[in-house]
Amino acid sequence: TQLLEQSPQFLSIQEGENLTVYCNSSSVFSSLQWYRQEPGEGPVLLVTVVTGGEVKKLKRLTFQFGDARKDSSLHITAAQPGDTGLYLCAGGESGGGADGLTFGKGTHLIIQP
Amino acid sequence: KAGVTQTPRYLIKTRGQQVTLSCSPISGHRSVSWYQQTPGQGLQFLFEYFSETQRNKGNFPGRFSGRQFSNSRSEMNVSTLELGDSALYLCASSLVSAGVAEQFFGPGTRLTVL
Repeated sequence: TQLLEQSPQFLSIQEGENLTVYCNSSSVFSSLQWYRQEPGEGPVLLVTVVTGGEVKKLKRLTFQFGDARKDSSLHITAAQPGDTGLYLCAGGESGGGADGLTFGKGTHLIIQP
Repeated sequence: KAGVTQTPRYLIKTRGQQVTLSCSPISGHRSVSWYQQTPGQGLQFLFEYFSETQRNKGNFPGRFSGRQFSNSRSEMNVSTLELGDSALYLCASSLVSAGVAEQFFGPGTRLTVL
């Protein structure tokens, strides 16, 4: 069974600060996705990375897939209260299909104004 | 394009009862997956349906079942409810792109078992 561990589990910082959250595994994934979930809603896909070493930017969010495709990080620059939410990473196995997605338990992020 | 819809949004049941949850995927998506989300276990995969066939199943007891209709709408059923079944049940439709299943989630059904 493939496992994804996310750290930290909880993070509370002030508006304007930078932060990085991590998603680690001992297994290799063919792809890695990041989702954000707000209270009372389902997760929303932010990005998919598929190539080892790949870096993608989404405004103030920077996502990186590890060279060995076992880990990923999400860096937020100048965090804003609207970034508050549960950030989930999900690893995909080769061949696609929903069975290939393994979710981490998430990082609860609170940005205080 | 309309997103994934789930009904009902909230449900309260008692132990021993059964429940049916409904999910309508994004138009054109043929794959529907179901997940259970709890604070302790996070998001756990229940099963996936594609073209009315269960393609994959997670590690849940047989009390959890599902089906998919010809219009891709899906239902999941939980029989003989237990207190531990209280959770947010999420449905996601997917469009496999380049071998990567990108999941588009609905808002979920919050099930409380008393």
